[in-house]
Amino acid sequence: NAGVTQTPKFQVLKTGQSMTLQCAQDMNHEYMSWYRQDPGMGLRLIHYSVGAGITDQGEVPNGYNVSRSTTEDFPLRLLSAAPSQTSVYFCASRPTGGTYNEQFFGPGTRLTVL
Amino acid sequence: AQSVTQLDSHVSVSEGTPVLLRCNYSSSYSPSLFWYVQHPNKGLQLLLKYTSAATLVKGINGFEAEFKKSETSFHLTKPSAHMSDAAEYFCVVTSVYNTDKLIFGTGTRLQVFP
Repeated sequence: NAGVTQTPKFQVLKTGQSMTLQCAQDMNHEYMSWYRQDPGMGLRLIHYSVGAGITDQGEVPNGYNVSRSTTEDFPLRLLSAAPSQTSVYFCASRPTGGTYNEQFFGPGTRLTVL
Repeated sequence: AQSVTQLDSHVSVSEGTPVLLRCNYSSSYSPSLFWYVQHPNKGLQLLLKYTSAATLVKGINGFEAEFKKSETSFHLTKPSAHMSDAAEYFCVVTSVYNTDKLIFGTGTRLQVFP
């Protein structure tokens, strides 16, 4: 299993540009989520999904869109990038149906918005 | 409401000496608590988790943590530090009523000197 994969690893955008951060998992996990990591702030939840066709907002959803058309993929879209979205983005997944399940994290995407 | 406080942003130890990374939590419900480790430019890896079973939890790489309800603490310890332990460590809390939402601490950077 490849686990959770994210592309790209690095990206530089100009203010106002749009892009999609890709996330895929091959573990058949129902639950997937996106976090952003900023210095001194830990990780904060952006959006999450408990299964195909179902998404919900996390702690910091503004400026981001998500969709979940398949179990495997959970892309994060920035429609009009802003410098405040400069961050490291992590995708995670875990199985459902039990409690206290470990979340598996991808390697991250480092995004810079100029 | 739930929150987690990591009391030290940086901890420095010599190789072979004990490690103590402190974490206090606040939770209205029975918490689940986790420690994650992040090595430089890598994703997060689960070290250990507390899920209301034994209060002393053993994790990978010789780490352990003790859940103390009276002190609302979940400190991470290791008897003897190794150079490879140098990383960022995150204390995380979630609720048995909403395991979808992880609340991250701000992280503790551990430095290990030879």
